[in-house]
Amino acid sequence: QSVLTQPPSASGTPGQRVTISCSGSSSNIGSNKVNWYQQVPGTAPKLLIHSSNQRPSGVPDRFSGSKSGTSASLAISGLQSEDEADYSCAAWDDSLHGYVFGIGTRVTVL
Amino acid sequence: QVHLVESGGGVVQPGGPLRLSCAASGFTFSDYGIHWVRQAPGKGLEWVAVAWFHERQTVYAGSMKGRFTISRDNSKNTVYLQMNSLRAEDTAVYYCTREISGTYYFDYWGLGSLVTVSS
Repeated sequence: QSVLTQPPSASGTPGQRVTISCSGSSSNIGSNKVNWYQQVPGTAPKLLIHSSNQRPSGVPDRFSGSKSGTSASLAISGLQSEDEADYSCAAWDDSLHGYVFGIGTRVTVL
Repeated sequence: QVHLVESGGGVVQPGGPLRLSCAASGFTFSDYGIHWVRQAPGKGLEWVAVAWFHERQTVYAGSMKGRFTISRDNSKNTVYLQMNSLRAEDTAVYYCTREISGTYYFDYWGLGSLVTVSS
């Protein structure tokens, strides 16, 4: 069981907005920044959002992140077929003194 | 151009050892922590360990402590993961990834190395 809780799946039609939640605790999300990784099955993960709401160079602006208290979310606006992938949240955990991931949310474009 | 290349994966018997290597290039090695993250078949990502440079510090996930050892050879820009007493549940793709020390996010990843623990 993962320290960070995400829904296992989410879906939407092209052009829709999809939001993925990530719930943690005071020792991880509550006190540290959240990062999001995108992973197309069979490939290595890719950094999508860092420091809770910062997009690395090259990441489309339809991806956005936010954090409030012990929860975070990733939003995909204007969903596209190439956004089909697994999305994982992650953060440092001060109690565990280690890095923790969510189980990942599989996004399907209908 | 940043490159992280894992090697050393393969099939190992339960209880056996295996050493993975991660060769880094294209960036100033000493500015980055190097982490290992693994992914079991059909499962999510799981953080394994980190070796930071300036603090000469290593940290491990609880379930790996005592069995896995991470080390770095700064003269070769390489990080190693020595894995002992391997179990079937250690079967996974092992990725190395870098972190600007102190930022706690991973901006480049290797392609991964598959470790299969099976008799």
